Amino acid sequence: DQQVKQNSPSLSVQEGRISILNCDYTNSMFDYFLWYKKYPAEGPTFLISISSIKDKNEDGRFTVFLNKSAKHLSLHIVPSQPGDSAVYFCAACTGNEKLTFGTGTRLTIIP
Amino acid sequence: NAGVTQTPKFRILKIGQSMTLQCTQDMNHNYMYWYRQDPGMGLKLIYYSVGAGITDKGEVPNGYNVSRSTTEDFPLRLELAAPSQTSVYFCASSYSTPGSGNTIYFGEGSWLTVV
Repeated sequence: DQQVKQNSPSLSVQEGRISILNCDYTNSMFDYFLWYKKYPAEGPTFLISISSIKDKNEDGRFTVFLNKSAKHLSLHIVPSQPGDSAVYFCAACTGNEKLTFGTGTRLTIIP
Repeated sequence: NAGVTQTPKFRILKIGQSMTLQCTQDMNHNYMYWYRQDPGMGLKLIYYSVGAGITDKGEVPNGYNVSRSTTEDFPLRLELAAPSQTSVYFCASSYSTPGSGNTIYFGEGSWLTVV
């Protein structure tokens, strides 16, 4: 039972354009959502998060949008840079300790 | 800053052997976690701990054991290794619950192959 889904295993975007990564969830109890970025042979690193009381959170080039009615969130990166090439994981949790991760989307930025 | 340190980075085990993946953090975090990542899959929680002396099962605990005798250390024990345990293992820590805005910090990973 995959409660957090990232249906696009990979995405290629031209440098300078916008990258949009999508994530869907099924558990309506989730109230906090995060995005992690992972380079090869490294552990994931935190990128940005959003609470369910908000519908948008922005941090520099990164913006996360949350649509609770659709159980959908997205990560926008603009403008995309070569260093953004990585695997991006969406994650969600309720008020307890456990994060549930999606399967990841490999983003490739084309110079 | 050391952060979360895992050892070993790579290990090949024979079926039936046992081993311990070591994890230590120097951030005085209360919460510690062990995840595994299989190819093309997300991270699955094996075990977690909310403080010294307290451990709990995650999504995929079978075949593993943990202990948390100190705040800093959270070793993961594999008993009777099986090919299904071939994976990349990540240890992680956070000050408190991630849902409270506390960032989870991950180690660099341990690549384990069971043959």
